[in-house]
Amino acid sequence: QQPVQSPQAVILREGEDAVINCSSSKALYSVHWYRQKHGEAPVFLMILLKGGEQKGHDKISASFNEKKQQSSLYLTASQLSYSGTYFCGTEIQNRDDKIIFGKGTRLHILP
Amino acid sequence: NAGVTQTPKFQVLKTGQSMTLQCAQDMNHEYMSWYRQDPGMGLRLIHYSVGAGITDQGEVPNGYNVSRSTTEDFPLRLLSAAPSQTSVYFCASSYRPPLNTGELFFGEGSRLTVL
Repeated sequence: QQPVQSPQAVILREGEDAVINCSSSKALYSVHWYRQKHGEAPVFLMILLKGGEQKGHDKISASFNEKKQQSSLYLTASQLSYSGTYFCGTEIQNRDDKIIFGKGTRLHILP
Repeated sequence: NAGVTQTPKFQVLKTGQSMTLQCAQDMNHEYMSWYRQDPGMGLRLIHYSVGAGITDQGEVPNGYNVSRSTTEDFPLRLLSAAPSQTSVYFCASSYRPPLNTGELFFGEGSRLTVL
């Protein structure tokens, strides 16, 4: 039931774009995105609900393809502060109140 | 607001010992949960609760007990610690519908080492 994230890790230079993918074998109700910096707690970025909506704030946006049970997180013109590990969390359509996270994608931004 | 408070932040146990990780939130959140984080494994759900008196199992519940006697507190008990339970534990809380924005508020984490 754990969603699959790809890639596992990515290294970028400041200003480059990144895409992180999350896919599930289950029909989803929602997808959550979090960022965690080393030694800190995860921090909420956004939630996407079924319906295929796209959300964003600043230069970070995400989409949710309900038919494919896939979500993608887009980081545009990456900044050094974007470095960290990104997790997607999924809740399946029967609303069982379980938010199950993927293994994470490590993002390192070089100056 | 204190948010989600976890204690202790660090703990070393010997195999077979018991202990309780405390979690308290002051945001009147109905939903509370415990995750463990191990290198390369992401965040794995241990137990969760949708309200006082209601708890349920997550992905990896074996070896852990929880209770929810109040809205504010959600302690995690290890009855007989094993080295495989060495991990960083995170408590998280959120509102539930109709106020649910989906945001999980995480505590700072508790690092547990079992020798």
